[in-house]
Amino acid sequence: DAKTTQPNSMESNEEEPVHLPCNHSTISGTDYIHWYRQLPSQGPEYVIHGLTSNVNNRMASLAIAEDRKSSTLILHRATLRDAAVYYCIPRDGGTGGFKTIFGAGTRLFVKA
Amino acid sequence: NAGVMQNPRHLVRRRGQEARLRCSPMKGHSHVYWYRQLPEEGLKFMVYLQKENIIDESGMPKERFSAEFPKEGPSILRIQQVVRGDSAAYFCASSRSSGTGANVLTFGAGSRLTVL
Repeated sequence: DAKTTQPNSMESNEEEPVHLPCNHSTISGTDYIHWYRQLPSQGPEYVIHGLTSNVNNRMASLAIAEDRKSSTLILHRATLRDAAVYYCIPRDGGTGGFKTIFGAGTRLFVKA
Repeated sequence: NAGVMQNPRHLVRRRGQEARLRCSPMKGHSHVYWYRQLPEEGLKFMVYLQKENIIDESGMPKERFSAEFPKEGPSILRIQQVVRGDSAAYFCASSRSSGTGANVLTFGAGSRLTVL
């Protein structure tokens, strides 16, 4: 499994953009990059994923470095509801993809 | 679409009793995963099942824990002779298939076990 490095915590002001970085220098060529988040006292929820190209959805954008050794999750306008732990997870595109391994993640604090 | 349903949401057991946690995957999903989250810690993979088969149980404690996903009905995580250290949130996730890293997991709200 590819190892990931994320900041333990980050802080943002409400209504401002947030860039959450993730290093995954040992990622393999077939690993997809997934992001999940876990709000307090809730189960994790899917945010976004990508392989090589940048991706956008209604929740966030995912910017993937050209060498794929790092990625950044972008929340365009943080709200108080976005306060959560964010997990960056490389997921094997081959047969081992089932074993989604969660690291420590980044705890995002959003100030009003 | 009801999503992944877990029950009970909260369960209290005394030491030595059995705990049974149930998980109904999303409609159309045939793959189930169980995770455990100890207080103030991260999510730890426990087991991955398909209908009637355990595919990977490398994260399951060797004793007292078992999981099943029968042909009919929900997946069940069973903990025998519970101890205080089993107190945790147990999350179930499901996916449509596992053959590609693009597959997305959908999680339930979790079952919180407290052992007195």
